[in-house]
Amino acid sequence: QVRLVESGGGVVQPGRSLRLSCAASGFTFSSFAMHWVRQAPGRGLKWVAVISYDGFNTYYADSVKGRFTISRDDSKNTLYLQMNSLRAEDMAVYYCARKQQLVYAMDVWGQGTTVTVSS
Amino acid sequence: EIVLTQSPGTLSLSPGERATLSCRASQSVTSNYLAWYQQKPGQAPRLLIYDASSRATGIPDRFSGSGSGTDFTLTISRLEPEDFAVYYCQQYGSSLYTFGQGTKLEIK
Repeated sequence: QVRLVESGGGVVQPGRSLRLSCAASGFTFSSFAMHWVRQAPGRGLKWVAVISYDGFNTYYADSVKGRFTISRDDSKNTLYLQMNSLRAEDMAVYYCARKQQLVYAMDVWGQGTTVTVSS
Repeated sequence: EIVLTQSPGTLSLSPGERATLSCRASQSVTSNYLAWYQQKPGQAPRLLIYDASSRATGIPDRFSGSGSGTDFTLTISRLEPEDFAVYYCQQYGSSLYTFGQGTKLEIK
């Protein structure tokens, strides 16, 4: 079945880096744009970044632009989020999500991976 | 950046009642690219509605979306026990996406 599984979360000090991964299965990964969305503890959803199906186009929320990089490896059916210069406000559950084709919505979500930023 | 404001913050209703949730945009949403999601505690969000009024695959027809421009509504015609959750709207425009702050639908 269609599935997204995030990994790579953990505890990291402010200013350090972390890379998240999202393994996709059950669908043709290379045909879909993909998102990262985060949710701080007890808070709402915040969109982080999107990458086009071919990896040529990436877009970011202002809050992470210049610090985070979204990328993909279609040979491994995996989406990545490289997070640099982490701040306390980056602490959240990070979800990867599939962009539904021809539609600007997210139709498949992973279960999330938790990033804790603390000294 | 388009800001989405959802109201009310919390809605208290009983099973069987009708729920009406609002999402207002700070400027017109491009081509009504407005989606609604449901999130239960400890779970990932689930897509309910896209393009303002189209139901996602497998979503019961008691869920409906309406609206255009800056004002959008999610209606649940008759609440089932499993419908009590947090609901988010989300829009797309100028290559960027934003979510509303959410409406919590709780059992009265």
